[in-house]
Amino acid sequence: KNQVEQSPQSLIILEGKNCTLQCNYTVSPFSNLRWYKQDTGRGPVSLTIMTFSENTKSNGRYTATLDADTKQSSLHITASQLSDSASYICVVTGNTGGSYIPTFGRGTSLIVHP
Amino acid sequence: SQTIHQWPATLVQPVGSPLSLECTVEGTSNPNLYWYRQAAGRGLQLLFYSVGIGQISSEVPQNLSASRPQDRQFILSSKKLLLSDSGFYLCAWKPRDTTGTEAFFGQGTRLTVV
Repeated sequence: KNQVEQSPQSLIILEGKNCTLQCNYTVSPFSNLRWYKQDTGRGPVSLTIMTFSENTKSNGRYTATLDADTKQSSLHITASQLSDSASYICVVTGNTGGSYIPTFGRGTSLIVHP
Repeated sequence: SQTIHQWPATLVQPVGSPLSLECTVEGTSNPNLYWYRQAAGRGLQLLFYSVGIGQISSEVPQNLSASRPQDRQFILSSKKLLLSDSGFYLCAWKPRDTTGTEAFFGQGTRLTVV
């Protein structure tokens, strides 16, 4: 069964600090992995996407890594800002018979304090 | 540019009442369409997806149904709501069965069944 596990479940950090969120998956065959940011009561917005051959992808202060061998990904946030407070969702898409169905992690809730 | 509209934004319904949530997409054709539910403190759960008019796939057995009467219209329905149907419902679209493309989410509907 395809699964995506994220850790930690929640995280509280001080403004200006860095943090790293983890994502482990068992989705197979693998197509791509995407990190979304979801503000409370809003729809998710994509931050990064990586395919099998990509190890690192950056988007401003967000840097995602992917190890396809160990099936792990991380999202590193540098110099956190209050606006980074949100839920961060790891989504892994598999290719099953030509259908691309995403599997969502439960997300990590990040709270940035001043 | 493509846009996705989802309404209503919030809804409070009594147990046993019917439900109809509507989602429309503009600026694209033949999209894949998805309905997700996000219960409090839980991840996004795929409910239904559609690859074409009248083509609906259900991911989990439930009290809900979906229909796609037009290419860019996706409707989530229930004949009789249960308390457990409360949650945050998200509609999403992505280009037809292509890997590496982003899924775009609507703003969501907060449903409370009382």
